[in-house]
Amino acid sequence: GAGVSQTPSNKVTEKGKYVELRCDPISGHTALYWYRQSLGQGPEFLIYFQGTGAADDSGLPNDRFFAVRPEGSVSTLKIQRTERGDSAVYLCASSEVGDTQYFGPGTRLTVL
Amino acid sequence: DAKTTQPNSMESNEEEPVHLPCNHSTISGTDYIHWYRQLPSQGPEYVIHGLTSNVNNRMASLAIAEDRKSSTLILHRATLRDAAVYYCILNTGGFKTIFGAGTRLFVKA
Repeated sequence: GAGVSQTPSNKVTEKGKYVELRCDPISGHTALYWYRQSLGQGPEFLIYFQGTGAADDSGLPNDRFFAVRPEGSVSTLKIQRTERGDSAVYLCASSEVGDTQYFGPGTRLTVL
Repeated sequence: DAKTTQPNSMESNEEEPVHLPCNHSTISGTDYIHWYRQLPSQGPEYVIHGLTSNVNNRMASLAIAEDRKSSTLILHRATLRDAAVYYCILNTGGFKTIFGAGTRLFVKA
């Protein structure tokens, strides 16, 4: 079956701009996660959704970052007033509750 | 959140077994030990997980110490396609997951 998909695969933006990153989880998976990965480091947890609600958003670095999952399926990570330090690969994963996480290929964000 | 400690890198010869260690001395009784790996330019992929008993699947084996303070991922015959970063993580109920830097495995032909 189809895995987790993320769009776009690459996004280049200018400092100060707004960006949206999309994640399509595996059908039927109620849990959805967002991570950020900088070069040479492991994925850094950002937020976890159970259904439509954010069950844990403790990893969001500041209030410029926001994520939604309005219908409990597709999720969008939104970054306002982007900064050069936001450049990273943003990974999405989904799972059945308490089960193995399946990751998407990531979106590489570059802020110039 | 309980943390794990892994060597930064390891090297193996092709067709030989590889033992990737992980220390997790602060593990709690409900923490599952999960291993993921990340191939270049891809998202992490699940390898194996366990709680107390050793586990085997088609990809690897997981050996868990009796006191659960360490574990070892065993690749029985390394191939070039096994070259990746391997992450050992502790997970309770599949919620917030903390990845470390992992072990980068180099496989020599």
